[in-house]
Amino acid sequence: EIVLTQSPDTLSLSLGERATLTCRASQSVSSTSLAWFQQKPGQAPRLLIYGASSRATGIPDRFSGSGSGTDFTLTITRLEPEDFAVYYCQLYGSTPHTFGQGTKLEIK
Amino acid sequence: QLQLQESGPGLVKPSETLSLTCTVSGGSISSNNYYWGWIRQPPGKGLEWIGGIYYSGSTYYNPSLKSRVTISVDTSKNQFSLKLSSVAAADTAIYYCARHTYFDWLLKNWGQGTLVTVSS
Repeated sequence: EIVLTQSPDTLSLSLGERATLTCRASQSVSSTSLAWFQQKPGQAPRLLIYGASSRATGIPDRFSGSGSGTDFTLTITRLEPEDFAVYYCQLYGSTPHTFGQGTKLEIK
Repeated sequence: QLQLQESGPGLVKPSETLSLTCTVSGGSISSNNYYWGWIRQPPGKGLEWIGGIYYSGSTYYNPSLKSRVTISVDTSKNQFSLKLSSVAAADTAIYYCARHTYFDWLLKNWGQGTLVTVSS
């Protein structure tokens, strides 16, 4: 089973700054099967990015994804108050699906 | 607009079977474009995919839970269900039902989740 490791565990940034979150796979994966989710307290996760770099419907363009092979990145430019949450990467495309452990993005 | 709603007991005793149902509205569970799945999240922790089912009844389970999990579908009620047997405290979690796209299993829609606590 492929393991996804996210870094950092916690990221403290200020409003308006740029956030860079990383997801590393234990072996090379297809970029078409890498997704990012945002989860706020008390809510279900929300799909942000799929296929490593495609934004889901309704997701602002300050969110972008990139990467291939074993290393993937979620970038959030110009942080807004509603962006502070936990972010998970996920490998789909075949079962079992795996999630990273999450990165908590908190206000500095 | 698609909605998924989990229902079932919020408290289950150790060694018993956890049973949850997901009711789908705003879309047909019999669509050949989707799988239907369950994901769980222990309080304050990360996400774990439990398994999924196609409307025809084909099932796919996480190997880590396979021996204890049964997912079934009732197309007449537009519902699918989860049973997890021999539960322990480690099975305490928020359980989400969700819809995956058929082509690539992308998780596009989630229910709000329901907390199930395992305790005597």
